[in-house]
Amino acid sequence: KAGVTQTPRYLIKTRGQQVTLSCSPISGHRSVSWYQQTPGQGLQFLFEYFSETQRNKGNFPGRFSGRQFSNSRSEMNVSTLELGDSALYLCASSLNAANNEQFFGPGTRLTVL
Amino acid sequence: KQEVTQIPAALSVPEGENLVLNCSFTDSAIYNLQWFRQDPGKGLTSLLLIQSSQREQTSGRLNASLDKSSGRSTLYIAASQPGDSATYLCAVLGAAGNKLTFGGGTRVLVKP
Repeated sequence: KAGVTQTPRYLIKTRGQQVTLSCSPISGHRSVSWYQQTPGQGLQFLFEYFSETQRNKGNFPGRFSGRQFSNSRSEMNVSTLELGDSALYLCASSLNAANNEQFFGPGTRLTVL
Repeated sequence: KQEVTQIPAALSVPEGENLVLNCSFTDSAIYNLQWFRQDPGKGLTSLLLIQSSQREQTSGRLNASLDKSSGRSTLYIAASQPGDSATYLCAVLGAAGNKLTFGGGTRVLVKP
């Protein structure tokens, strides 16, 4: 069974640009969550999607947005990039909406110059 | 607001020694607790999941305990090996859906 996949694995952008990251969950999993990991703040929850609906949102500005498609694949978008958005963005999938084990992808390393 | 703490932040042990990693959380109203391993620059690998109704979970050389009432979990790794060198993270799942709250991690170095 294939694991969680994330594309691209690495990205370099400049301030002010926007970026879209993609996550494909484990086959059959319907919940996708996104996390940001930085050396200073650690792992922080961005948002969770289940059945194409955002169920939870973390404490991030509106520049961070996401969506989920009918095949459970998810994308997150960051607009007007800032230097502080440089981070490892991790996607996690779980079977459904009810407190299951979460499985993480390899992450997308975003560098903002 | 749930807060998760892992102490120590870093640990160095000689090969063969048992590892004891600690995790504490402030709100005992959790659904489960997961332990993860992260190698440098990589994603998270799930090691053990303990449901709130369980006291411990075991997988090979790994054993994790959970004391929900005191807000503590401990991960034991028996007979450590250099390949166990990594950062270990604990995370709790609260009431708000599949939102994990993570500790800061313990960076482990096992010296040959």
